[in-house]
Order: sequence, then C-alpha cells, then structure tokens
Amino acid sequence: AQKVTQAQTEISVVEKEDVTLDCVYETRDTTYYLFWYKQPPSGELVFLIRRNSFDEQNEISGRYSWNFQKSTSSFNFTITASQVVDSAVYFCALILFGNEKLTFGTGTRLTIIP
Amino acid sequence: GAVVSQHPSRVICKSGTSVKIECRSLDFQATTMFWYRQFPKQSLMLMATSNEGSKATYEQGVEKDKFLINHASLTLSTLTVTSAHPEDSSFYICSAEWTDNEQFFGPGTRLTVL
Repeated sequence: AQKVTQAQTEISVVEKEDVTLDCVYETRDTTYYLFWYKQPPSGELVFLIRRNSFDEQNEISGRYSWNFQKSTSSFNFTITASQVVDSAVYFCALILFGNEKLTFGTGTRLTIIP
Repeated sequence: GAVVSQHPSRVICKSGTSVKIECRSLDFQATTMFWYRQFPKQSLMLMATSNEGSKATYEQGVEKDKFLINHASLTLSTLTVTSAHPEDSSFYICSAEWTDNEQFFGPGTRLTVL
C-alpha cells in the first residue's frame, strides 16, 4: 500500500522568508505521479503541480519550486519570499499509474505572519 | 483548466433528514468521479469511486446504504447522505477524473447536521 508522510503539521514563518514543506512517500511501484495541492481557508483544493516518477528534474514556477528525489522518496516544496496569501494547508499526494486512487498526506498548515 | 462544481456549497439540516450533494464536471465528461470526506484539520479520505452507469465502489468502512452515490451521466455524480446525524457533519469534496490519473476537484460542500 502507498503512504505519503508530511511530518510538519504546522509551520509559521514571517512574510518574505523562504519555507520548505516536506513530503516523503512510500510505494513499491516504480511508476507513479506525485502532486501538491493548496487548500486555502475557503476549502477548495488548488492544483499546484504533478510530477511523474520518470522525471526527477526540479521545477520552478515563480516563487514555487519543487525538489523530487527518488533516492530519498521525497518531493519537497519550497516557497521563496513567502506572502500572506500563501497561508493555507498544503497536501502532497501520490497516485500509481493505472490506479485511480489518490493517496493524500496529512497536510501541512502554513501560516505566513505579516 | 477543467472545472468541477459542487452544489450546495453549504448545507445545514436536521438530524434524520437526507441531504443530496451534486458534483458536476462543467467542461468535460468524466467517466469516473470520486467522493472525499474531510474532517476539520484532517486530510482528505476517499469515500467512494463513482463510475458512470455502474455501481459505486466504496472504501472500507464507508456505509454504502448511508452514503448513496449515483453517477447518472458523464457530467453528474450525486452523493446522498441518508438519515444524517451530527457525526456526518463534515466537508465533502468531489473530484472528476479528466485524463491520465489527473483529477480536478470541486469546491467542496460543508454539511452541518443539527
């Protein structure tokens, strides 16, 4: 069975600081997708990124960047120059190729202090 | 991107009544939709997988007679919470599978049972 661990339950940083959210996953399969979602107070899940297991290239999108390392089964998410609008719960998730079910981590609640 | 809507966004009902939640894929057809439940400060838990034209597949521990799912068309799945009780109060989120293990999420429905 798959498992996604987000060890950081809550993080608070002062605005403009950088912050990294950790995600460690477990699966015996070699083909899978990893995701990050943002859930603001409104509740709607906002898709941030999808990465397949064959692509270990790091990705940068504006202030967001992701570090995927298969050797450590990690898919960490970094926000640089954080802003108050980044305050939300962030979920890491995994899905196996050909399998419909997403396995979510427990989420990290990020609070950006003005 | 693909849009998934949910209706209602918020519902309050009396104990013992039934509540129907609709999930619609607005600009694409979804053979498969998913229903999740999220308790406060917790992760999303998959309740069931809804397939158009067939019976839903429920996750272990989810009462199928209590949570009735109907996927009558390629753009609509409904979740009916029958004889709701206060412990059913939760945030219910649906998602629709677009393509290749990618799901788009609805904005969620907050159910409060008095």
